[in-house]
Amino acid sequence: QKEVEQNSGPLSVPEGAIASLNCTYSDRVSQSFFWYRQYSGKSPELIMSIYSNGDKEDGRFTAQLNKASQYVSLLIRDSQPSDSATYLCAARGYSGYSTLTFGKGTMLLVSP
Amino acid sequence: NAGVTQTPKFRILKIGQSMTLQCTQDMNHNYMYWYRQDPGMGLKLIYYSVGAGITDKGEVPNGYNVSRSTTEDFPLRLELAAPSQTSVYFCASSYSSGTGGNVEQFFGPGTRLTVL
Repeated sequence: QKEVEQNSGPLSVPEGAIASLNCTYSDRVSQSFFWYRQYSGKSPELIMSIYSNGDKEDGRFTAQLNKASQYVSLLIRDSQPSDSATYLCAARGYSGYSTLTFGKGTMLLVSP
Repeated sequence: NAGVTQTPKFRILKIGQSMTLQCTQDMNHNYMYWYRQDPGMGLKLIYYSVGAGITDKGEVPNGYNVSRSTTEDFPLRLELAAPSQTSVYFCASSYSSGTGGNVEQFFGPGTRLTVL
């Protein structure tokens, strides 16, 4: 059974701080990892994807991947109240028809 | 482009009733997916399709059926609705699920279903 684990939170940070969201996965052959943001009552939207070990930066967002530890994280710098949402981590396996396995999500609350 | 559209937005069913959730995408994506999301939970894959005429079960397929006669449409059928099927249903599509490369899934707005 493939599993993706996330702390459900909420993770509370003040405006301007760095928010750190973490995710672990059980399937060692997982190749690609994705972070989706979901506002309350809305559909998920992709904010970051990462395939290789190390860091990947996009604006205020940095995704980090450590395949040896089966660990993925998302850092949000200069957090804004508009970042308050649930962040879903997803892992994709290796086969051509593989699908995404989602974690339960971490709720982030950024206070002004 | 409208992206992924879903109808209806909301629906209340009685136990034992049936219904079809509609999903259409206009991005010419070959892959389409149906998920359900229960409160405080992540997305659970119900069924997916890799192209017209080809469908496969996901993690939680029981109580559901799908068909894919065209690239654009991927309806989800609920037969004999049960309270356990109360959930928010999301349809998604992607242009590829091959190894490597971008497999971003684009999600529809969701259908909120209540079974009483």
